[in-house]
Order: sequence, then C-alpha cells, then structure tokens
Amino acid sequence: QVQLVESGGGVVQPGGSLRLSCAASGFAFSTFAMHWVRQAPGKGLEWVAIISYAARTEYNAASVKGRFTISRDNSKNTVYLQMSSLRPDDTAVYYCAREGPDSDSSYYDYWGQGTLVTVSS
Amino acid sequence: QLVLTQSPSASASLGASVKLTCTLSSSHRNYAIAWHQQQAEKGPRFLMKVNYDGSQRKGDEIPDRFSGSSSGAERYLIISSLQSEDEADYYCQTWGTGIQVFGGGTKLTVL
Repeated sequence: QVQLVESGGGVVQPGGSLRLSCAASGFAFSTFAMHWVRQAPGKGLEWVAIISYAARTEYNAASVKGRFTISRDNSKNTVYLQMSSLRPDDTAVYYCAREGPDSDSSYYDYWGQGTLVTVSS
Repeated sequence: QLVLTQSPSASASLGASVKLTCTLSSSHRNYAIAWHQQQAEKGPRFLMKVNYDGSQRKGDEIPDRFSGSSSGAERYLIISSLQSEDEADYYCQTWGTGIQVFGGGTKLTVL
C-alpha cells in the first residue's frame, strides 16, 4: 500500500536550517508529483511546495520563496525540503503528500503522518 | 484571486446527515476541488475530488456514506449515517498553475 514517511523535524533556532525527508513506498514514485504542506499549531493547512515527477518543475508558496527548496531523488524514492533562514512562524507540522494521478488535476490523494518543526530560541 | 471559503463549524447528530459547503471565488466557479478529512492528532486523509459538474473521484476505501456534489461556485461534501469517528476537521483544496489553495476548514461535531 502507499506509504509516505516524513522525518527530520526537530527544534531549531531562528535563522537556522533543517532538511526534511519523505520516504515513499508502495507506488511508482518517479511517476508522481510530490508536495509539502504544513500546519501551524491550531491552524489550517498551508501548501508549501511542489516538485514534478521528473524534478523539472518546482513551485514554492510566497511565504517560503527564497528560503525553502524542494528536491527529490527518484533512485531513493524520497522527496526533500531544505529549509533555511527559519523563522518562528515556520513552526508547524510538515506533511508530504502525493499528487493524484489525474493529468488535469493537482489534488493530494495520499498524505504522510507529518513531522514537527519548532523554530524557537 | 483563487479563494475557498468554508464555514468554521458544523454539527449534526449521530446517525443523521450533514452537508458541508466549500465556496469558490466567483471567477473560479468552474474549478474542481478536493475534500480532505483530518481527525484529531492525525494527518489529513483524501476523501474525494468533486468536479464542477458534480462528478466525483473517491479515495481508496472511502465509505459510500461520503459523497460530493456541486452547484455553481459551491462544492459540497455530504456525510450520511454520521458516526462518531466522522468528528473531524474537513478541508477543501483547489489548484491553479503553480498554486495550491486550502479553505480554512470546517470543524464537524457529532452530537
């Protein structure tokens, strides 16, 4: 079955960096676009970034542009989120999500369990 | 601007039905959306995609109690025969080129 397992979260000081990983299994990883979505404590869902299946296209939300970079290694079935210049308002649970198979749509059909990032001094 | 609007809360009795609404910004009224469920302390789960014409594509193992429909700029999630485990936050989501948008979520309480 499809599984997405995030790791790499933790406590980091403002201005610091962190790299999140999401290990995928149970499907042909190299044929699906992948996303990162976050959720601040007690708040709703916020899209962070997308990477196309072959890593030719990436988009970031305005709130993280220039600070976060999404990448993937299809040989390892893993998608990454490199976060730098972290701010307290980046504190959130970070989820990776698989984009559904419809060519004309960009919804998430599978989600991971999330990894918590806390930015605090 | 692509915007999704949801009521913050809803409630219904055990065994009853409830209809949750997600409203698209007027200039995007023909967009499809997706519904996701998030139970307490868990990651989200994909329920279904709802197209402008009301057609749906459901996620794996989503019970038949969950269905979707559409009218104009509104997209609906209908849950029938409510069970206690349906108490959760429900988010709608849509997309454009290089952008993803979530509604603010509806907290459903099962009485």
